[in-house]
Amino acid sequence: QQQVKQSPQSLIVQKGGISIINCAYENTAFDYFPWYQQFPGKGPALLIAIRPDVSEKKEGRFTISFNKSAKQFSLHIMDSQPGDSATYFCAASKAGNMLTFGGGTRLMVKP
Amino acid sequence: GAVVSQHPSWVICKSGTSVKIECRSLDFQATTMFWYRQFPKQSLMLMATSNEGSKATYEQGVEKDKFLINHASLTLSTLTVTSAHPEDSSFYICSAKRDSGNSPLHFGNGTRLTVT
Repeated sequence: QQQVKQSPQSLIVQKGGISIINCAYENTAFDYFPWYQQFPGKGPALLIAIRPDVSEKKEGRFTISFNKSAKQFSLHIMDSQPGDSATYFCAASKAGNMLTFGGGTRLMVKP
Repeated sequence: GAVVSQHPSWVICKSGTSVKIECRSLDFQATTMFWYRQFPKQSLMLMATSNEGSKATYEQGVEKDKFLINHASLTLSTLTVTSAHPEDSSFYICSAKRDSGNSPLHFGNGTRLTVT
């Protein structure tokens, strides 16, 4: 059972555009939703995270939107840059337990 | 920020040999460390959860006798791939948490294992 579904699998965006990646979860007990960025040959790095008591969190060009009723959350990358080209993973966990990862989205930002 | 160091970053070994991968939390004590496996263009699959001073908890389908995990201190966990075979070739990534709550999970830079 895939508890966190991520889409799209791949995404191509022009420089300066907005990249949007979506995730949906099934377990209503999840209470922590981070996003990770991974470059080839490297481990994932925490980008931004949100808890279900807020609907949006913004850090620089990165914004998480959270819809608790729909059990969905998304990552928006504003003014996308070629350096943002990477694989992005959403994840979810409950009560500090292990993270469940989405399938990943390979983002390519064209100059 | 928190740093997790993983060593080696890549290793090539012959089939039948064993390989040890180290994971260290450099500036915090990690009560829990996690070991993941990642195949090309795929997501991270949790292999096991390692708690300091106790036996690791393995995910379903992961052979505990093949993937030996030792968490001897609050800053070091090791994964030993025993009697490695070509199908064990993969990217292995460790991660660590500072506490048992919803603190961020910090990842090492991974180890690329190639078994010939």
